[in-house]
Amino acid sequence: SSELTQDPAVSVALGQTVRITCQGDSLRSYYASWYQQKPGQAPVLVIYGKNNRPSGIPDRFSGSSSGNTASLTITGAQAEDEADYYCNSRDSSGNHRVVFGGGTKLTVL
Amino acid sequence: EVQLVESGGGLVQPGRSLRLSCAASGFTFDDYAMHWVRQAPGKGLEWVSGISWNSGSIGYADSVKGRFTISRDNAKNSLYLQMNSLRAEDTALYYCAKDKGSMVSDAFDIWGQGTMVTVSS
Repeated sequence: SSELTQDPAVSVALGQTVRITCQGDSLRSYYASWYQQKPGQAPVLVIYGKNNRPSGIPDRFSGSSSGNTASLTITGAQAEDEADYYCNSRDSSGNHRVVFGGGTKLTVL
Repeated sequence: EVQLVESGGGLVQPGRSLRLSCAASGFTFDDYAMHWVRQAPGKGLEWVSGISWNSGSIGYADSVKGRFTISRDNAKNSLYLQMNSLRAEDTALYYCAKDKGSMVSDAFDIWGQGTMVTVSS
């Protein structure tokens, strides 16, 4: 099965731009989706497809992809963006499977 | 209001079985694929299983294949996870999640609050 690799932790100064990355072979074939999870809460979808935001997600969140790497960019990070971020994608091995990355803890300084 | 409510979690001994349920409301359940995702205490998200709108396509993580069975009852707007031969490493908060599409994909736009499963003697 496929694997997705994320940096365990990333920090950003308030109001600055941060990029969170996700690497894996499946990303050569499929887009990644991105989820935000705050302590004690269920995950929330923030980006899916090429670069789509669900209703209610601020436009400071954007997604991109190149080769085997997908990126989530937060332009002008806010204090409320401090959270864990997970990527996922369809598993390139097929069989209707999905794989998640290990997650990135974002700290807003 | 779009909502997913999980139930059926609890404390169970290793080797025993448990059945989780997820009740959906506020959307046309049989239009969408559904998933189970789990999160062990202090750990990341792990996809467990997914099922297409008509149960025609089903997938499992290697860690649960052969032990867990996903199913759905569109008439009852419900998703299920039958968990057999439970192990300590299955201890986690189990989330039910709605797919944005009718087939298994990676975009899960609605999540429940989860039901906790603890496997311990």
